[in-house]
Amino acid sequence: GAGVSQSPSNKVTEKGKDVELRCDPISGHTALYWYRQSLGQGLEFLIYFQGNSAPDKSGLPSDRFSAERTGGSVSTLTIQRTQQEDSAVYLCASSKGQGARGQAQYFGPGTRLLVL
Amino acid sequence: DQQVKQNSPSLSVQEGRISILNCDYTNSMFDYFLWYKKYPAEGPTFLISISSIKDKNEDGRFTVFLNKSAKHLSLHIVPSQPGDSAVYFCAASAVTSGSRLTFGEGTQLTVNP
Repeated sequence: GAGVSQSPSNKVTEKGKDVELRCDPISGHTALYWYRQSLGQGLEFLIYFQGNSAPDKSGLPSDRFSAERTGGSVSTLTIQRTQQEDSAVYLCASSKGQGARGQAQYFGPGTRLLVL
Repeated sequence: DQQVKQNSPSLSVQEGRISILNCDYTNSMFDYFLWYKKYPAEGPTFLISISSIKDKNEDGRFTVFLNKSAKHLSLHIVPSQPGDSAVYFCAASAVTSGSRLTFGEGTQLTVNP
């Protein structure tokens, strides 16, 4: 009965380094989302995976950001050549059902990324 | 372009009273709205939702009201409890945007004993 898990919970890195953030969705959930929350801001959509369909990458802020989802389960968000403005809490969510319109998204605890 | 706005960054109420959290949106394509609650160091937790075909949805102490003409929704919590103290996010979804949610900035609710 595990919920969405994310690792690491905290990450401190130096500007210019690459980071990988991991998300394990709820078992059986076909939809997976990445959001980020910068200080004092709401959640900002990044990318969405639904089953075997091509992901919706429309929220990725730059080509330094990429994500993949292997085997329809675990997802990795990669940020290359990190910048200080990438510092934020990165949240992963999953939901069930095709299309998932109106389905509640269940969030993980987030990864707090700090770029020095 | 902030399509979902929560204009009150904070709200403080007494235990037992009603808490009213407000949310405004600009995108007329939004047709599904959700409220999430977030405690520190945790991810947001789904609370309640409403489809644009309704104007009210109730679940226990939580009621969401939708006024489509005003592009406004509100979350009522009654009676408020100290454990309700958290950040509340309003979110919206449009059929043209698939399942992605657009979130407001959040309102910090504090319920005083």
